[in-house]
Amino acid sequence: SAVISQKPSRDICQRGTSLTIQCQVDSQVTMMFWYRQQPGQSLTLIATANQGSEATYESGFVIDKFPISRPNLTFSTLTVSNMSPEDSSIYLCSASAGAGELFFGEGSRLTVL
Amino acid sequence: GESVGLHLPTLSVQEGDNSIINCAYSNSASDYFIWYKQESGKGPQFIIDIRSNMDKRQGQRVTVLLNKTVKHLSLQIAATQPGDSAVYFCAENKGRGSTLGRLYFGRGTQLTVWP
Repeated sequence: SAVISQKPSRDICQRGTSLTIQCQVDSQVTMMFWYRQQPGQSLTLIATANQGSEATYESGFVIDKFPISRPNLTFSTLTVSNMSPEDSSIYLCSASAGAGELFFGEGSRLTVL
Repeated sequence: GESVGLHLPTLSVQEGDNSIINCAYSNSASDYFIWYKQESGKGPQFIIDIRSNMDKRQGQRVTVLLNKTVKHLSLQIAATQPGDSAVYFCAENKGRGSTLGRLYFGRGTQLTVWP
């Protein structure tokens, strides 16, 4: 199974600033994804991080607000831009090697004041 | 629209009993389903998956049942232990042939195991 590490694990940010979350996988994976989990809620897919090309965003999420990079097969970043208190959530990176199992990182807990 | 929902938000069982967590889905095109366990402060942990060409799949102490006729998914945990206490999510792959990993999650069931 793949081990997924996220940094930071938590942060407290000021309104209007941006934060970049890093996701590192310990092996090469085919697919990487970013999810959001608002307090006490389920997970919602933000986007698919595509290697070497622009991410594919789900309905309700846009690149200007959540720019994503994926420079290689083991690393991706998600930026939460121009943050507001409504962006306070856990942001989770997930990855799949293509055979079936989809693994998740421990999440990055973001609080926006 | 499509949805993956759970019948009960909470479930309390006594240690040693069997647990059954249910999930209903509405997208008949979905062909892959996964159950996840999420402990407080942690990311979701893969438990078991099932494809739409199967009705049942067993793992260690867990069984997933899929009833495509009524679009119902269940997770059975045998001999439930205190360490099983967590929130359980069902998730469906977003449409047949869709990229694996684009998952739509249900609301979650909080399982509490009493000694």
